[in-house]
Amino acid sequence: DVKVTQSSRYLVKRTGEKVFLECVQDMDHENMFWYRQDPGLGLRLIYFSYDVKMKEKGDIPEGYSVSREKKERFSLILESASTNQTSMYLCASSFDLGQFFGPGTRLTVL
Amino acid sequence: AQSVTQLDSQVPVFEEAPVELRCNYSSSVSVYLFWYVQYPNQGLQLLLKYLSGSTLVKGINGFEAEFNKSQTSFHLRKPSVHISDTAEYFCAVRSLKTSYDKVIFGPGTSLSVIP
Repeated sequence: DVKVTQSSRYLVKRTGEKVFLECVQDMDHENMFWYRQDPGLGLRLIYFSYDVKMKEKGDIPEGYSVSREKKERFSLILESASTNQTSMYLCASSFDLGQFFGPGTRLTVL
Repeated sequence: AQSVTQLDSQVPVFEEAPVELRCNYSSSVSVYLFWYVQYPNQGLQLLLKYLSGSTLVKGINGFEAEFNKSQTSFHLRKPSVHISDTAEYFCAVRSLKTSYDKVIFGPGTSLSVIP
């Protein structure tokens, strides 16, 4: 069975902290994505990666960076967390025509 | 550029009643269309997708959707809902010209099934 895992289900951080969200997939997929989900706004794409060390900005990349050193792992980094980054973060992977999602990380920045 | 509209943010329906969740999209090129479901405290799961061919697409859990090109719609239906169908439903679109399986999601419709 396909699987996408995220390192934490819930995370609480303070303003200004550096935050790492990790995502691992076991399907050998080329593409990986990071979204944030906010009520009434649906899913908004932050960054995606189509190969190791390759990345592209999504619709809302400001305040975020990513890293993909290995095919199965895609990390989202908040360099200096702010309260407006409190959200649900979802990771997904795909080969083609359909994305597989992790369970999400609910991040609260105080 | 593509966009997706889900006109109903919340849909309450009684158990065993039929339901339709509406989705409209805009795109200047041909598209693939998807419906995803998100159960409470979980990630999204693919329900069904339209790629080509028959405009009526059947998915998991008894759901189906119909692609209407002239109305640019892809409405999701189920003839008889169960309590377990209570979830958030997202419509999504991808242009045939888009690389890397990048999709645009709608804002979601919250389906509440009332016993």
